[in-house]
Amino acid sequence: DTEVTQTPKHLVMGMTNKKSLKCEQHMGHRAMYWYKQKAKKPPELMFVYSYEKLSINESVPSRFSPECPNSSLLNLHLHALQPEDSALYLCASSTEDSYQPQHFGDGTRLSIL
Amino acid sequence: SQKIEQNSEALNIQEGKTATLTCNYTNYSPAYLQWYRQDPGRGPVFLLLIRENEKEKRKERLKVTFDTTLKQSLFHITASQPADSATYLCALGGGADGLTFGKGTHLIIQP
Repeated sequence: DTEVTQTPKHLVMGMTNKKSLKCEQHMGHRAMYWYKQKAKKPPELMFVYSYEKLSINESVPSRFSPECPNSSLLNLHLHALQPEDSALYLCASSTEDSYQPQHFGDGTRLSIL
Repeated sequence: SQKIEQNSEALNIQEGKTATLTCNYTNYSPAYLQWYRQDPGRGPVFLLLIRENEKEKRKERLKVTFDTTLKQSLFHITASQPADSATYLCALGGGADGLTFGKGTHLIIQP
């Protein structure tokens, strides 16, 4: 079991739906991340939160809206997604310090119909 | 922009042999580099981190080297086992910057 918990594990949604992905960690980490991973590709960084503030947005379309309600939780709100947004969405956390690894959840497998 | 490359998409190794994976980077002088393992349907799992002033780092059957002159890291698994079969990712960055991953090497250990 990983120390970063993501729900749901699988999500199928239509292009007009609104849904949210959730991520939770209780390791006291103050940096949290969203990555997108397409099949047979490496994870690609989407967003970074540092001390509950958005610090990096890698030019992600506005149909993806991140939120960090507190230091343990990270959400990714989805609206009007496109079929090409189907992917594995990974959450990770780490301390703010350099020279520290990131801890990943097992992701949400998202399929857009 | 920084670029990180893993030259082998796939690598087949006989059980018991040493697997060696390569990671090269350009346009960057990293203070450290990380290696992760990813199994199908799972998130990446951290294996080793090596700093620029460390030539070599070991953990059980794993060994990582870091050559800042060649801009290259090598990842070795000695006495390989079928359970070592997975995708191995090298990564730059970290802390508040997020990680940039190489494309990964799919390692298959054949019994």
